[in-house]
Amino acid sequence: EIVMTQSPATLSVSPGERATLSCRASQSVSSNLAWYQQKPGQAPRLLIYGASTRATGIPARFSGSGSGTEFTLTISSLQSEDFAVYYCQQYNNWPAFGQGTKLEIK
Amino acid sequence: EVQLVESGGGLVQPGRSLRLSCAASGFTFDDYAMHWVRQAPGKGLEWVSGISWNSGSIGYADSVKGRFTISRDNAKNSLYLQMNSLRAEDTALYYCAKVEDYGDSPLGYWGQGTLVTVSS
Repeated sequence: EIVMTQSPATLSVSPGERATLSCRASQSVSSNLAWYQQKPGQAPRLLIYGASTRATGIPARFSGSGSGTEFTLTISSLQSEDFAVYYCQQYNNWPAFGQGTKLEIK
Repeated sequence: EVQLVESGGGLVQPGRSLRLSCAASGFTFDDYAMHWVRQAPGKGLEWVSGISWNSGSIGYADSVKGRFTISRDNAKNSLYLQMNSLRAEDTALYYCAKVEDYGDSPLGYWGQGTLVTVSS
């Protein structure tokens, strides 16, 4: 079983600044890593897959990087609509999610 | 447009059973793997179970193995989750999700979920 660990649990950032979220896998997942955004009362939305490919309609301020066991989601110049909870998920085996990072307004 | 509509949730006593359904439309259902993901109130996402396009490959989270059974009916464009021996910790919003593409693929499409509450 692959365990996904996200850090930090909560990240406080001011609008217009950059946010960097981390995700670590307990064993290599190659590039089979996705990031999701979830807002209150909504289903998760796919942001990034293949560790670095933006899903359809996702703004360019969202970028992903990493491979193997270490991954990063970067959101440049935060907009008000970006404050939400973010999850990483590996799909190299049966899926596993990280525990989430809550991105809040500073 | 891909649509996934879950149903079958509700209030159930511990130890009882419930069957969730997911009606799919807007894509060729029998081409894609499908999954169930749940979210307990105020908690994170937890993958529950997945099934390949032809039901040849099925997986379960350890937390539900032996109690839950996933199945699909490609003729009816429907996904199911039979939940037996329910526990309080199974209380959650259950999402049906479709993979984005063939092969190793993230969950690109989600329903709005159906709420399961296990309580006496």
